[in-house]
Amino acid sequence: NAGVTQTPKFRILKIGQSMTLQCTQDMNHNYMYWYRQDPGMGLKLIYYSVGAGITDKGEVPNGYNVSRSTTEDFPLRLELAAPSQTSVYFCASSYTTGNNSPLHFGNGTRLTVT
Amino acid sequence: GENVEQHPSTLSVQEGDSAVIKCTYSDSASNYFPWYKQELGKRPQLIIDIRSNVGEKKDQRIAVTLNKTAKHFSLHITETQPEDSAVYFCAAIPSGAGSYQLTFGKGTKLSVIP
Repeated sequence: NAGVTQTPKFRILKIGQSMTLQCTQDMNHNYMYWYRQDPGMGLKLIYYSVGAGITDKGEVPNGYNVSRSTTEDFPLRLELAAPSQTSVYFCASSYTTGNNSPLHFGNGTRLTVT
Repeated sequence: GENVEQHPSTLSVQEGDSAVIKCTYSDSASNYFPWYKQELGKRPQLIIDIRSNVGEKKDQRIAVTLNKTAKHFSLHITETQPEDSAVYFCAAIPSGAGSYQLTFGKGTKLSVIP
């Protein structure tokens, strides 16, 4: 199994541009998550999904959108990039809820908005 | 919502010494407490976890203790080695339906000096 795969690994955006961060998992996990990691701030949950067709906001959803059309894929969309969105983004998945099974993280996407 | 405080933010120890990282949480309904290790430039990975019905759990050189009354839990690493150098994150999540949001501490950067 490849686990959780994220693309791209690095990206530089200009203010106001849009992009989609891709995430796919091959473990047949129902639960998927997007986190952002800022220096010294830990991991903050942006959005999560409990299954295909179901998504919900996490702690810091503003400026982002997600979709979950299949069990495998959970893309994160930035519509109007802002410098505050400069961060490392991690996609994760779990077999069941976060209090019953561990999170499996992807390798991350380092995004810079200038 | 849940709030997780983690201390210290940085920790340096000599190789062979022990390291202790402490976390406190605010939501008394939290019942699952994982610890993740993140090596430089890599993804977070689960190293140990504990549930609220257990006071202590060990896995070789790593142990976690939980004090539900005081709402704090700690990671103990004995006989530290250079490969233990990483950022460690504690996290907490409450029980019950809809418990999807794992709240992370801000992380502790552990440096093991050879």
